[in-house]
Amino acid sequence: DQQVKQNSPSLSVQEGRISILNCDYTNSMFDYFLWYKKYPAEGPTFLISISSIKDKNEDGRFTVFLNKSAKHLSLHIVPSQPGDSAVYFCAASAFGGAQKLVFGQGTRLTINP
Amino acid sequence: DTAVSQTPKYLVTQMGNDKSIKCEQNLGHDTMYWYKQDSKKFLKIMFSYNNKELIINETVPNRFSPKSPDKAHLNLHINSLELGDSAVYFCASSRPGGAREQFFGPGTRLTVL
Repeated sequence: DQQVKQNSPSLSVQEGRISILNCDYTNSMFDYFLWYKKYPAEGPTFLISISSIKDKNEDGRFTVFLNKSAKHLSLHIVPSQPGDSAVYFCAASAFGGAQKLVFGQGTRLTINP
Repeated sequence: DTAVSQTPKYLVTQMGNDKSIKCEQNLGHDTMYWYKQDSKKFLKIMFSYNNKELIINETVPNRFSPKSPDKAHLNLHINSLELGDSAVYFCASSRPGGAREQFFGPGTRLTVL
């Protein structure tokens, strides 16, 4: 029972263009969503988050959009840079869920020069 | 450096052995977690401690026993290791007050032969 899904295992984008990573969830109790970036042989690094009371959160080149009715969120990176090449994980948590994060399976983003 | 650290980074051992992985955070956080990333790359919560008290215990074999001597440390002891325990284990921590963002250590790759 996978409550958080990232249906694209990989994505390739040209440097300077926009990268859009998608994530879907099924549990309507989730009220907080996070994106993590992971390089090989390192731990996931927190990137950006969004509460369910918002539909957009922006931090520099990174913007997360939340569509609660569709149970869908996306991460936009613009402009994409070679250093953005990594695996991106979407995660969700529910209030009162003891802060447990439920992760998607990740999307490998490759930025081509 | 302020961070979540884990030792060892790599652990190779024989089936049936008992091993421990140590985790320390110097971020002043009060909640710590263990996650397992299996061969399919799914990251799943195993345990969580808040101020040395166990608050999450997912469906994990009781061969796995977490121990928190203080709120800066959460160790994972595994008895009678099995082939299926081979995975990358990540420790994480989060700030007091129920903050949802978790900060991860670099991971420990466990290989059971």
